[in-house]
Amino acid sequence: DTAVSQTPKYLVTQMGNDKSIKCEQNLGHDTMYWYKQDSKKFLKIMFSYNNKELIINETVPNRFSPKSPDKAHLNLHINSLELGDSAVYFCASSQDATGAGEQYFGPGTRLTVT
Amino acid sequence: SQQGEEDPQALSIQEGENATMNCSYKTSINNLQWYRQNSGRGLVHLILIRSNEREKHSGRLRVTLDTSKKSSSLLITASRAADTASYFCATVKTGANNLFFGTGTRLTVIP
Repeated sequence: DTAVSQTPKYLVTQMGNDKSIKCEQNLGHDTMYWYKQDSKKFLKIMFSYNNKELIINETVPNRFSPKSPDKAHLNLHINSLELGDSAVYFCASSQDATGAGEQYFGPGTRLTVT
Repeated sequence: SQQGEEDPQALSIQEGENATMNCSYKTSINNLQWYRQNSGRGLVHLILIRSNEREKHSGRLRVTLDTSKKSSSLLITASRAADTASYFCATVKTGANNLFFGTGTRLTVIP
């Protein structure tokens, strides 16, 4: 059974479109995260949610909006996509609500904006 | 700016040899973690070492932490072709509640 799953795995879209990436974890964790990995493999935290509440919102454009319908899901909605949004987006979860513990990552969603 | 930097950026060794990767960071930390990322996959947690620990082992992995030098090393002994991956260190800064990842070391183990 997949612990942290993301859909879709690949997403190709044009500039200006709005798209969503879904994430689900079946580990019973209270904390979920979204990361962005750029072309140089640098991984940066975007958002952190604990039990459906936003904990961390790093310097991310307002076009990115996370939505957590329940503590097992954290979806990422992106408005007005730009070329610079092309990257691999990873969802993760952890049991540790402080964010200091081990994190479990999804397989990633490769977003290509043309 | 990123918290950690790995060295070397890329490492190529023969199967059976040991691989050592280093990580340096900038601020005081709560803990430091190492993750592995296979090509096209998500990250997998390998080991966590707390700021009051100096060395930790897990199977063929050995991690050291020197808080005075703000550095850590990951040693993989008796490497296998399946160890080919990118390895990232990640730190939890003191008082923070999220991970800051380094730049990664790309390890290639030649069969």
